Parts: sequence; C-alpha cells; structure tokens
Amino acid sequence: QVQLVESGGGLVKSGGSLRLSCAASGFTFSEYYMSWIRQAPGKGLEWVSYISSSGSTIYYTDSVKGRITISRDNAKNSLFLQMNSLRAEDTAVYYCVRVLGTWGFDYWGQGTLVTVSS
Amino acid sequence: QSVLTQPPSVSAAPGQKVTISCSGITSNIGNNYVSWYQQLPGTAPKLLIYDSDKRPSGIPDRFSGSQSGTSATLGVTGLQTGDEADYYCGTWDSSLSAGVFGGGTKLTVL
Repeated sequence: QVQLVESGGGLVKSGGSLRLSCAASGFTFSEYYMSWIRQAPGKGLEWVSYISSSGSTIYYTDSVKGRITISRDNAKNSLFLQMNSLRAEDTAVYYCVRVLGTWGFDYWGQGTLVTVSS
Repeated sequence: QSVLTQPPSVSAAPGQKVTISCSGITSNIGNNYVSWYQQLPGTAPKLLIYDSDKRPSGIPDRFSGSQSGTSATLGVTGLQTGDEADYYCGTWDSSLSAGVFGGGTKLTVL
C-alpha cells in the first residue's frame, strides 16, 4: 500500500534551517509528481511547492521563494524540503503528498510539525 | 485571505443533500481543474474529487464535483454524521504559477 512518511520537523529559532524528508513506498515513486502542503495551527491548507517526476519542473508559493528548496531522489524514493531563513509564519504541519491526475493530491503523509520560535 | 472563496460553514440534516461552493477567477478555476478534500479533526486531508469531477477509488458516489466558469461545487448526498468535517477546494493558478486553496468550509450534520 502507498505510504508517505515525513521526518525532520521540530522546534527551530527564527532565521534557522530545517530539512524535511519524505520516504515513499508502495508505488513507483519516479513516475509521480510530488508536493508539499502545509497547515498552520487552526488554519486552512496552504500549497507550498511541487516537483515533477524527473525533478526538472519546480514551483513554489511566493511566500517561500528564495528560502525553501524542494528536491527528490528517485533512486531512494525520497522527497525533500530544505527550509532556510525560517520565520514564525512558517510554523505549520508539513504534509508530503502525491499528485494524481492534473490536479489532485491522493495520498498524504501523517505530517511533520515545524515550529519556528521568535 | 484565501485566493479561492468558500462559505465558512454549511449545515443540513442527516440524509439530506448539501452543496459547497468554491469561487475563483479566470486564472485559477476558469482555466484549471479543481480538487476537493475532506479533513476530519486531527487527521490529514482526504481527496474526494480531482480533475473537477473524478472520484478516486474508494470514494462513494454520494460525493460529486462540478465546475462552471470561475466556480466549482462539491455536492454531498445522503448526509451522515461521519461527514462532519472541514472541506477544502484547490486548484492551480496560472497567473501565480502556484497552487491555491479555499479557506475551508465546516460541514455540520444537524
């Protein structure tokens, strides 16, 4: 069965860095676009970034451009999110998700909490 | 302020039907497919509808999606107490070159 398991979240001070990882299993990882979506405590969903199956196409939401980098290692079935210059407003649960069709996120990880303290 | 507009809450009685609207503009809903998600408290969102009207395997046909112009609608028939959750719409915005979501709608089954 499809599984997405995030790791790497935690408490970090404003201006600090974190690297989130997502281990994928149960499907051919290299054939799927992947994305990161976050949810601040008590708030709605916010799309963060996505990466094409080969890694050649990447997009980011404006608020993270220049600070966050998405990448993948298809040989290791892994997705990453390098987060630098973190701000209080980056505090959220970060979900690793698989893209289905043209626009749909069909499998979600359990999420990893990132807390940025000022 | 979310790019897509959803009503904050909707409610209906068990067994009834409810619709949740999602409003956008040409650059997002007007030119791209919409997806819908259900989020139960304390859990990750679950995909209900993708590419505007397709259901993933395992999603009952009580859930339906439609899209016209710059708006999309999620329909839920035969409401059950287990349908009480937050519902989100999402799509791609071609002008922003970014994914966008609505602010979410809380469904209460009275």
